[in-house]
Amino acid sequence: DAKTTQPTSMDCAEGRAANLPCNHSTISGNEYVYWYRQIHSQGPQYIIHGLKNNETNEMASLIITEDRKSSTLILPHATLRDTAVYYCIVRVVGSEKLVFGKGTKLTVNP
Amino acid sequence: KAGVTQTPRYLIKTRGQQVTLSCSPISGHRSVSWYQQTPGQGLQFLFEYFSETQRNKGNFPGRFSGRQFSNSRSEMNVSTLELGDSALYLCASSLRLIGGSYEQYFGPGTRLTVT
Repeated sequence: DAKTTQPTSMDCAEGRAANLPCNHSTISGNEYVYWYRQIHSQGPQYIIHGLKNNETNEMASLIITEDRKSSTLILPHATLRDTAVYYCIVRVVGSEKLVFGKGTKLTVNP
Repeated sequence: KAGVTQTPRYLIKTRGQQVTLSCSPISGHRSVSWYQQTPGQGLQFLFEYFSETQRNKGNFPGRFSGRQFSNSRSEMNVSTLELGDSALYLCASSLRLIGGSYEQYFGPGTRLTVT
């Protein structure tokens, strides 16, 4: 079973920051938080991952709370092409298996 | 660098037939995983291969099998197809990073329709 809880859907205005929350209250010390997104009928796309420190790359920022029980994915300037289902996943160190939940359907509106 | 490729992209089969799907990972990646995606069950893990060995297996019947070749290319096979096997089958190849985490890259998938 998925070990994360995400809102079913969210809306964001184009050009604004999109903040997608994820709850992973049962996360263990050796589990990473991963974010993927899936645009309709395409393969999931890796976005970012982290263990306990905040992370940033060219796509997004990942903010993990100090107790690691929740995190937020931030898309700083959302575009229409960011409309997708976003999955938050926890993954054990050394394991390649991903357990996907339902994800959050993000709609970016013009 | 080329991404993960899957062939064929679309496939139509009838019940009772078998099907073989192919996946070529990113060059240098030695691990391949397979996932099934359906509207009802979402994305579900099928199995994972590393250096020609199955390392992990999801909760699917024995009709679903796979293998990996010495060049890391992988195939999955579904025998005695059922209507419920209609799905998007996704392959992913992984790059292990320092510290034990992975970046996993997915292919575009094979859309299988069973009639």
